[in-house]
Amino acid sequence: DTAVSQTPKYLVTQMGNDKSIKCEQNLGHDTMYWYKQDSKKFLKIMFSYNNKELIINETVPNRFSPKSPDKAHLNLHINSLELGDSAVYFCASSLSFRGQGSGYTFGSGTRLTVV
Amino acid sequence: RKEVEQDPGPFNVPEGATVAFNCTYSNSASQSFFWYRQDCRKEPKLLMSVYSSGNEDGRFTAQLNRASQYISLLIRDSKLSDSATYLCVVNKRGYGQNFVFGPGTRLSVLP
Repeated sequence: DTAVSQTPKYLVTQMGNDKSIKCEQNLGHDTMYWYKQDSKKFLKIMFSYNNKELIINETVPNRFSPKSPDKAHLNLHINSLELGDSAVYFCASSLSFRGQGSGYTFGSGTRLTVV
Repeated sequence: RKEVEQDPGPFNVPEGATVAFNCTYSNSASQSFFWYRQDCRKEPKLLMSVYSSGNEDGRFTAQLNRASQYISLLIRDSKLSDSATYLCVVNKRGYGQNFVFGPGTRLSVLP
């Protein structure tokens, strides 16, 4: 039973297209995230939602739009894809505590290649 | 100064060796610290949290030095299966869930 599942696993698409990546967690966590890992393997946070509310929105082009229909789902829509968007996108979730942090559980990643 | 810094390695060690990684962080207000492990083409997985008093989990020992703002991970009796990239993780603003990942240290355990 997968804890954090994201689809698709692989996505190859042409520049200019619009695509979505979906993420679902069945851990009962209240916070979900999108991270981007580029070719240099650096993991950088993009967005975070807590109970469907956007709480972190790092400097990300507004072509990227997250949507959280409920606290178990966080989707990522990307408009007008560019070559530089090629990366692995990881969804993650956690249970937040006031003043403390617990670790994340990651999905297996979506490898996006823009050609 | 970067928020979280690690020596990228690679560290190439023989099986059975003891190896230690350090990580420094810039935000003195940070309160949560973790080590994650990432295998090639896989997602990061939580290895262990790092507590103020230091903590051990089998062959793995984590230490935190708040005064010098670094954390360490010690692996004893290295196994081939320990080969991976080890990511240091620190929360960004001293609270909540905004974590910053270090660039990772690559470990190769050789037979």
